[in-house]
Amino acid sequence: DTGVSQNPRHKITKRGQNVTFRCDPISEHNRLYWYRQTLGQGPEFLTYFQNEAQLEKSRLLSDRFSAERPKGSFSTLEIQRTEQGDSAMYLCASSLGLVIDEQFFGPGTRLTVL
Amino acid sequence: AQTVTQSQPEMSVQEAETVTLSCTYDTSENNYYLFWYKQPPSRQMILVIRQEAYKQQNATENRFSVNFQKAAKSFSLKISDSQLGDTAMYFCAFRAISNNDMRFGAGTRLTVKP
Repeated sequence: DTGVSQNPRHKITKRGQNVTFRCDPISEHNRLYWYRQTLGQGPEFLTYFQNEAQLEKSRLLSDRFSAERPKGSFSTLEIQRTEQGDSAMYLCASSLGLVIDEQFFGPGTRLTVL
Repeated sequence: AQTVTQSQPEMSVQEAETVTLSCTYDTSENNYYLFWYKQPPSRQMILVIRQEAYKQQNATENRFSVNFQKAAKSFSLKISDSQLGDTAMYFCAFRAISNNDMRFGAGTRLTVKP
């Protein structure tokens, strides 16, 4: 399978715990995006990487959120001290970085904070 | 700030018929791209069709076509000869050329009935 993959697919955690999600983009894609999608809403942009550099961050990305892409390949999104409001689907997408920049999405990680 | 509005939370259509999903957006940018994404139940989001704002000709991809009205900031999706596999959430999305922050609408849930 050469698409975008995300792990885990589901995560249930207790409030206050830290969680980390992983995204493996399509191998030749140099751009990687993270989005959050809550029930009944469209995805909301969180952050994006060009290779290993994090170039944009949304105001939605509070201090408890951190994302990395250490070698310009896979990326991790960590949420510290989770809150119930963090419950959502976290989507990763990747693209070649061309002008039109078509983004290919992964299946997402569904986070439930109890 | 850019906003995307999809005013139809749910729609249904009979198999083989035609349906049009509405999308309007608000922006002060002149150069941008518009997209329609499909998110089938429990499956990942895929790109259906895209439109460059500088192109006057409406984009077409097989049974999918758009009606892009730049002055009215309208970008509707027409699905012809609807198939059961078209049942999904459909998201309209906007991205200005000047940044990588893609904005999505809240989505329209389309059900194709046999």
